[in-house]
Amino acid sequence: GDSVTQMEGPVTLSEEAFLTINCTYTATGYPSLFWYVQYPGEGLQLLLKATKADDKGSNKGFEATYRKETTSFHLEKGSVQVSDSAVYFCLSYAGGTSYGKLTFGQGTILTVHP
Amino acid sequence: SAVISQKPSRDICQRGTSLTIQCQVDSQVTMMFWYRQQPGQSLTLIATANQGSEATYESGFVIDKFPISRPNLTFSTLTVSNMSPEDSSIYLCSVADGHSNQPQHFGDGTRLSIL
Repeated sequence: GDSVTQMEGPVTLSEEAFLTINCTYTATGYPSLFWYVQYPGEGLQLLLKATKADDKGSNKGFEATYRKETTSFHLEKGSVQVSDSAVYFCLSYAGGTSYGKLTFGQGTILTVHP
Repeated sequence: SAVISQKPSRDICQRGTSLTIQCQVDSQVTMMFWYRQQPGQSLTLIATANQGSEATYESGFVIDKFPISRPNLTFSTLTVSNMSPEDSSIYLCSVADGHSNQPQHFGDGTRLSIL
């Protein structure tokens, strides 16, 4: 079945450091890919998405590019802030026009120190 | 996008008791889902709640332990029955409305601790 593998955490960075969180997927078709973020005490919020190969999703300074050749969707940010401290989840979705299940990565805890 | 309200936001319960979690959506949605997020873990789908039919449970979850109601297109409940400390988790409701920019919208979750 489909699976998503994320870089193990926790990740601890200083403010303004460069962030990469690796994510790779396996799927029988061509899923849509998402990054969701979970801030402390809150639910999951969509951060960015890409629906086909070579698409780049971006939001709040975060970027991720859908790489079919490497089956990857790595999350990057050039300069992290303390407010970026959260848990980041990489997800795949193969639903298309009908409902399909979400496949979750295991989550990566990011802590940014001042 | 759909706005989801979950109640309670957190609770501390005694072993052997049951708790019902409510999920209210501000619009009619086709599908609602219940997830469990154990401490430090990712989300695990418990069941899919469809209006007018029995919920569909994932492997490892049973109706006797996690009964679900879906009386209409904007509301669902999940009951955690006969609780033990192993049930201490965050329980999240999500919805799929079929016409937004993401497959599911998530509530803020219910943080449950069992003593």
